[in-house]
Amino acid sequence: DAKTTQPPSMDCAEGRAANLPCNHSTISGNEYVYWYRQIHSQGPQYIIHGLKNNETNEMASLIITEDRKSSTLILPHATLRDTAVYYCIVRPSGTYKYIFGTGTRLKVLA
Amino acid sequence: NAGVTQTPKFQVLKTGQSMTLQCAQDMNHEYMSWYRQDPGMGLRLIHYSVGAGITDQGEVPNGYNVSRSTTEDFPLRLLSAAPSQTSVYFCASSETSGGVVTQYFGPGTRLLVL
Repeated sequence: DAKTTQPPSMDCAEGRAANLPCNHSTISGNEYVYWYRQIHSQGPQYIIHGLKNNETNEMASLIITEDRKSSTLILPHATLRDTAVYYCIVRPSGTYKYIFGTGTRLKVLA
Repeated sequence: NAGVTQTPKFQVLKTGQSMTLQCAQDMNHEYMSWYRQDPGMGLRLIHYSVGAGITDQGEVPNGYNVSRSTTEDFPLRLLSAAPSQTSVYFCASSETSGGVVTQYFGPGTRLLVL
C-alpha cells in the first residue's frame, strides 16, 4: 500500500500559487518524499524530492514539516499547462520500489 | 539522448494471444521497472530489475514475464492475454545517487485485449 494520502482533487486559479498537501505519517527517518505529475495519459514526470529540508527547483518548491509527517508541493504561479495528476510518493527504505497512490487531480482554471 | 522509449504505442490483442512490450533506455541506468495503469488509478508495479540478469516481482506480476539480458532493454511479455490486462503500460528507468532514486518514464503502451 502507498505510504501517502492526498486529496483526490483541487482547483487553482491561473497565476495563483497551487499548494498540494500530502500526508505521510509513517515515514521513516531516511525515506525521501518524491513528487511526480502526470499530464493527460503521458508517463509521469519527476518534479522534486526532499528528505527534511525545504527544497526548490525551477518547477516547484517542497515544504516538509519538522516532524516529516506531511509535506506540501507549491507551484508558485500555476498555468493551464500545470493541470495534471500530482503524485506524492515515499519510497520504502532499502528498496527501489515506488508505490503510487491515486494522487491529486489539479485543475488550473483560466 | 532519447531517454526511455516504448514500442508499440498501441496494441489490440485477442484473448489468449501473447505479445512482448518493448522498453529501452540509453541512460545506462541499472534499475528498470514496469507499471500498469488502469483508468482513474495510480500506477501499479508489475516487475522490476536492479541490473542485467536480475529481476523480481512487484505488486501485480501474475500473467507477465520479464527478462533483462542487457542494461538497455527490459521487455515485458504477456503470456496469454486476458481482458483484465487491458491497461496502459509504462516502463521506467531509475537514476540512483546517494540514496535518492529518480525515475524516468516512457510514453506508455496502450493495450486493449478483446
